[in-house]
Amino acid sequence: EAGVTQFPSHSVIEKGQTVTLRCDPISGHDNLYWYRRVMGKEIKFLLHFVKESKQDESGMPNNRFLAERTGGTYSTLKVQPAELEDSGVYFCASSQGRLGEQFFGPGTRLTVL
Amino acid sequence: AQKITQTQPGMFVQEKEAVTLDCTYDTSDPSYGLFWYKQPSSGEMIFLIYQGSYDQQNATEGRYSLNFQKARKSANLVISASQLGDSAMYFCAMRGRSNTGNQFYFGTGTSLTVIP
Repeated sequence: EAGVTQFPSHSVIEKGQTVTLRCDPISGHDNLYWYRRVMGKEIKFLLHFVKESKQDESGMPNNRFLAERTGGTYSTLKVQPAELEDSGVYFCASSQGRLGEQFFGPGTRLTVL
Repeated sequence: AQKITQTQPGMFVQEKEAVTLDCTYDTSDPSYGLFWYKQPSSGEMIFLIYQGSYDQQNATEGRYSLNFQKARKSANLVISASQLGDSAMYFCAMRGRSNTGNQFYFGTGTSLTVIP
């Protein structure tokens, strides 16, 4: 069974540009989460999807971040326009049930110059 | 407020020795879950061990055990017989109550280096 996959693994963009990160959860997992780790700090929750619905987006930093999960399968996280402080590693995780163990993807390292 | 604290930014251990990675947590929820994840240099997050707040016994998974002290709100990870492949970042996490009941809170991590 394939794990959670994320694309790209690395992205380097200039301030003001747009970047879209993709996450493919484990097949059959309705719950999908986005997290972010800024260098040296803790991993922070961004938002939680159940199927295609946003259940909790309390961790989204601001309106430059837009997450979607059309059809309840893969999810995208778009940052537009990117700022320097957006640099970090963005993790996606999925779980089968609401309280189940979360399986993490390898992360996307975003660098904004 | 829900919070995870890992006070050891870096730890060293001799190969084949045991090492304890500290984790304390803060929550007012009576029901919660505690997790440890390993992040090697390749970047993926690997689940290691889970402890439920109502579990009577400390969780164990192979060489990993969780020293759960509920009154002290600590959930330290013990790795026995360290191996070179154990060198990685280790994150303690707590599943806390959110709108949907499953938001994870992470600590800042501990970088473990196993010395040959």
